[in-house]
Amino acid sequence: QKEVEQNSGPLSVPEGAIASLNCTYSDRGSQSFFWYRQYSGKSPELIMSIYSNGDKEDGRFTAQLNKASQYVSLLIRDSQPSDSATYLCAVNIETGGFKTIFGAGTRLFVKA
Amino acid sequence: NAGVMQNPRHLVRRRGQEARLRCSPMKGHSHVYWYRQLPEEGLKFMVYLQKENIIDESGMPKERFSAEFPKEGPSILRIQQVVRGDSAAYFCASSPRTGVNTEAFFGQGTRLTVV
Repeated sequence: QKEVEQNSGPLSVPEGAIASLNCTYSDRGSQSFFWYRQYSGKSPELIMSIYSNGDKEDGRFTAQLNKASQYVSLLIRDSQPSDSATYLCAVNIETGGFKTIFGAGTRLFVKA
Repeated sequence: NAGVMQNPRHLVRRRGQEARLRCSPMKGHSHVYWYRQLPEEGLKFMVYLQKENIIDESGMPKERFSAEFPKEGPSILRIQQVVRGDSAAYFCASSPRTGVNTEAFFGQGTRLTVV
């Protein structure tokens, strides 16, 4: 079983709609979760971090965490064409320190 | 404060040559992570280093790949006798400390092409 799993997509939504991106993880002891955005040919950019169960909102982005279900999601409200990118879910795993493990990413297309 | 600096940005090597990828972490960061990204795939963890120590190399191929982070200077990812399958983007990330909530910051990556 992969440590972090995401639907590879592509996920296509119309401009102005809500995009919902989902992620599950296997390590029940994980405590830190991140969403990165990666434009084609560019490096990953951190957009959200979440550490506690529930919702965390930042502008048009809302991260949701459910540790009991080992599930984390990212909602993007009022999606814009500029949101079109690959979204990477990531989890910190203890390893003598902590390393960040990534899912394969979900490709999002926002149609104008 | 400069971000994570990787060089070169693009590297072309013939099969059998050596590739050296360099990563200078953000100022004050002593933890470095290397990832490999194949086309249309996610980031695969390779190795986690602190100054002069390899903490976790569970993602490194057993042969031809090595990494170091000396007391002075950048972290180096070295690939000996490159093969076409090594063609990928290699990203370095750094963090100021280790901890459960530590966030990593990425460099722009080195795109290696083996011909």
